[in-house]
Amino acid sequence: KQEVTQIPAALSVPEGENLVLNCSFTDSAIYNLQWFRQDPGKGLTSLLLIQSSQREQTSGRLNASLDKSSGRSTLYIAASQPGDSATYLCAVRLNNAGNMLTFGGGTRLMVKP
Amino acid sequence: EPEVTQTPSHQVTQMGQEVILRCVPISNHLYFYWYRQILGQKVEFLVSFYNNEISEKSEIFDDQFSVERPDGSNFTLKIRSTKLEDSAMYFCASRYGTEAFFGQGTRLTVV
Repeated sequence: KQEVTQIPAALSVPEGENLVLNCSFTDSAIYNLQWFRQDPGKGLTSLLLIQSSQREQTSGRLNASLDKSSGRSTLYIAASQPGDSATYLCAVRLNNAGNMLTFGGGTRLMVKP
Repeated sequence: EPEVTQTPSHQVTQMGQEVILRCVPISNHLYFYWYRQILGQKVEFLVSFYNNEISEKSEIFDDQFSVERPDGSNFTLKIRSTKLEDSAMYFCASRYGTEAFFGQGTRLTVV
């Protein structure tokens, strides 16, 4: 059974810092990996999607990398801002007919002004 | 930009009652999902729906739950005889290609 773990569970940084969020998964036979942002009490906003054949994806100040063989992904946030404060979730989709996402527990990020 | 919409945003119901959570997926999407997130826990898969039938369901999705796509636009989750432990945020998602898009969720509170 696929297990997804995110470290750290919580992170507090001063504004302007570059930071890395980590995601690991136990079954490397994934189809893709998606990073989401969740604001308190709100829905999930898709940030980046990496296909299993890709190594990284970039969107603005966000860069996500994928090392499928070692079961790891990182989300890099450059020049963090208070508006980046949220919970960041990673989710993997297995390479099988069961097309659902398996989520990690999230990293709760606080960026202090 | 197209989005997945869910109604209501918050539903309070008494234990034992039936609730229907509603979702309007993005119009050209083919795959539909329900997930839930109990407060402080991970987002969990409940069920996926494709071509007018359930394609996969988790062990959480027992006989208490059912899904329906009653017309060309709505996708509903029915929970019968609600229990306190059904209190959670319920998310609908839809997908055409590889990327899943989620709604804002319905917070269900069972009292």
